[in-house]
Amino acid sequence: AQKITQTQPGMFVQEKEAVTLDCTYDTSDQSYGLFWYKQPSSGEMIFLIYQGSYDEQNATEGRYSLNFQKARKSANLVISASQLGDSAMYFCAMPYTGRRALTFGSGTRLQVQP
Amino acid sequence: DTGVSQDPRHKITKRGQNVTFRCDPISEHNRLYWYRQTLGQGPEFLTYFQNEAQLEKSRLLSDRFSAERPKGSFSTLEIQRTEQGDSAMYLCASSTTGINTEAFFGQGTRLTVV
Repeated sequence: AQKITQTQPGMFVQEKEAVTLDCTYDTSDQSYGLFWYKQPSSGEMIFLIYQGSYDEQNATEGRYSLNFQKARKSANLVISASQLGDSAMYFCAMPYTGRRALTFGSGTRLQVQP
Repeated sequence: DTGVSQDPRHKITKRGQNVTFRCDPISEHNRLYWYRQTLGQGPEFLTYFQNEAQLEKSRLLSDRFSAERPKGSFSTLEIQRTEQGDSAMYLCASSTTGINTEAFFGQGTRLTVV
């Protein structure tokens, strides 16, 4: 069974600085994908970025990038040039083996300070 | 707005009452998911539809819970004889068919059982 671990319950970052949110995973699948979602206080889960296990390059979407280290089973999210609007909960997730639904980590609360 | 919409956004009910939530997915999405999220945790999978067929149910979905997706469009999640432990955010998500496609989430229905 998959397991997602996010060891940072809360993080602080100064506006305009970069921050790395940690995610480690455990799976026996050879092919899998990792997702990151943002959840502001409004409650909606917003898709940020995806990385497939066989993708050769780390995924990048605007200010978001994935530091994917397959051997270490980690898929850390890097947010560059933090903005006040980045303050939210961030979840790492991956699909259950052979299924479509996602298993989520416990999340990291990011607070961006002016 | 063509995103996933959920109704109601908030529901307060007395223990023992029945409640029903509605989810309208993105119109071209044939997959629909329900998740439950308790405070400080990531979302947990409840059930999954592909078109009108309910293909997966989590062990979290006790016999007091029932979900439907008539005609493969909107979906309802009913909880009968609510208990205080049912208090949570109920999130709906939809996606297209395909491997590792991202799911788009609604803003959720926050249920409080008093």
